Amino acid sequence: DIVMTQSPDSLAVSLGERATINCKSSQSVLYSSNNKNYLAWYQQKVGQPPKLLIYWASSRESGVPDRFSGSASGTDFTLTISSLQAEDVAVYYCQQYYSTPYSFGQGTKLEIK
Amino acid sequence: QVQLEQSGAEVKKPGASVKVSCKASGYTFIGYYLHWVRQAPGQGLEWMGWINPNTGGTNYAQRFQGRVTVTKATSISTAYMELSGLTSDDTAVYFCARGHPRDDSFDVWGQGTIVTVSS
Repeated sequence: DIVMTQSPDSLAVSLGERATINCKSSQSVLYSSNNKNYLAWYQQKVGQPPKLLIYWASSRESGVPDRFSGSASGTDFTLTISSLQAEDVAVYYCQQYYSTPYSFGQGTKLEIK
Repeated sequence: QVQLEQSGAEVKKPGASVKVSCKASGYTFIGYYLHWVRQAPGQGLEWMGWINPNTGGTNYAQRFQGRVTVTKATSISTAYMELSGLTSDDTAVYFCARGHPRDDSFDVWGQGTIVTVSS
């Protein structure tokens, strides 16, 4: 099974500043047939279901603000929020959907400093 | 609009079973896999399994094998997740989520169903 490890567990960033969340997979999630990493990022606000932000490691879901971006380097993945807004307070999860059992990171709690 | 509507909260005794429904609307039910994910209080997300609504085929996480059954009723665009042998560790919010046919990322989620297991 693929293990996903996020860092940090929690993060406090000032409004308008950059927030960076990291995720590492225990093995590759890259499909050679299409050269895509099967890695997604979700945002979960209190009392709500998760919301898909990023798929294929770096593709932004329709309707997601462009301050959210994702990147990949081997088995290391990063979610960046370029300019933190108040509404971005949430827990963020990475997920691999390369192979079952699909697995999530433990989550990163993002707060305003 | 595209929506997944789940059934209401449940309270069950240890050893019992629970069946949660997930009704799809606004899209072609058989065109998208449906996944089940749970979240224990204050904890992270845990994938349980999926169903292919077109074929009825299923795939379950090993840790739930033998205890979970996911079924569907195509005529009413509804999927069901039944979990048996409940213990207090099964107390959680259970979500259904649609897998996008592009890549199976979870692009639409139900609102969640709280299942409480208590004697």
